[in-house]
Amino acid sequence: QSVLTQPPSASGTPGQRVTISCSGSSSNIASNTVNWYQQLPGTAPKLLISSNNQRPSGVPDRFSGSKSGTSASLAISGLQSDDEADYYCAAWDDSLNGWVFGGGTKLTVL
Amino acid sequence: EVLLVQSGSEVKRPGESLKISCEGSGYSFTNYLIVWVRQTPGIGLEWMGFIYPVDSDTTYSPSFQGQVTISVDKSISTAYLQWSSLKASDTAMYYCARHITGNRTLDSWGQGTLVTVSS
Repeated sequence: QSVLTQPPSASGTPGQRVTISCSGSSSNIASNTVNWYQQLPGTAPKLLISSNNQRPSGVPDRFSGSKSGTSASLAISGLQSDDEADYYCAAWDDSLNGWVFGGGTKLTVL
Repeated sequence: EVLLVQSGSEVKRPGESLKISCEGSGYSFTNYLIVWVRQTPGIGLEWMGFIYPVDSDTTYSPSFQGQVTISVDKSISTAYLQWSSLKASDTAMYYCARHITGNRTLDSWGQGTLVTVSS
């Protein structure tokens, strides 16, 4: 079981808006910033959102992140078929003195 | 461009040793931690440990302490992950990633090294 909790799956139709949740605790999400990663099939995770809501250069503004208390969310608007991937949340954990990850959410574009 | 290039896939027998590598380029290698992450279908992503190339200071996740060794050769901008005696349960994809200290972000990842341990 992963330290951070994500729904195992999510889906939407092209053009729709989809949100993926990530639940943690006081030692990780509440105390530190959250990052989101996109993993396309057969590839390495790619940084999508850093510091709760910052998009690295090259990431479309269709992707946005937010955090409140011990939870965080990733929102994808204007869903495209290319967005089909696994999405992971991650944060530093002060108790473990290391990183913790969510179990991943498989996004399907119907 | 920041690049982390990992060594190729490995197939090993239980009890064998293994050392995989991660070469950084396009940035000042000694200024950033290198983190190793394991990915398995059942458990997902797990942080294994990290190393600071400038002085080889290493921290291990409690789950991996004593199971693996992380090292670095800063003269060739390369970090390593090694096992002295592999187990079938070590079968996984292993990633190295660069850590940005300020916001504790793993911003660039290697392409991954698939390790298969089977008799």
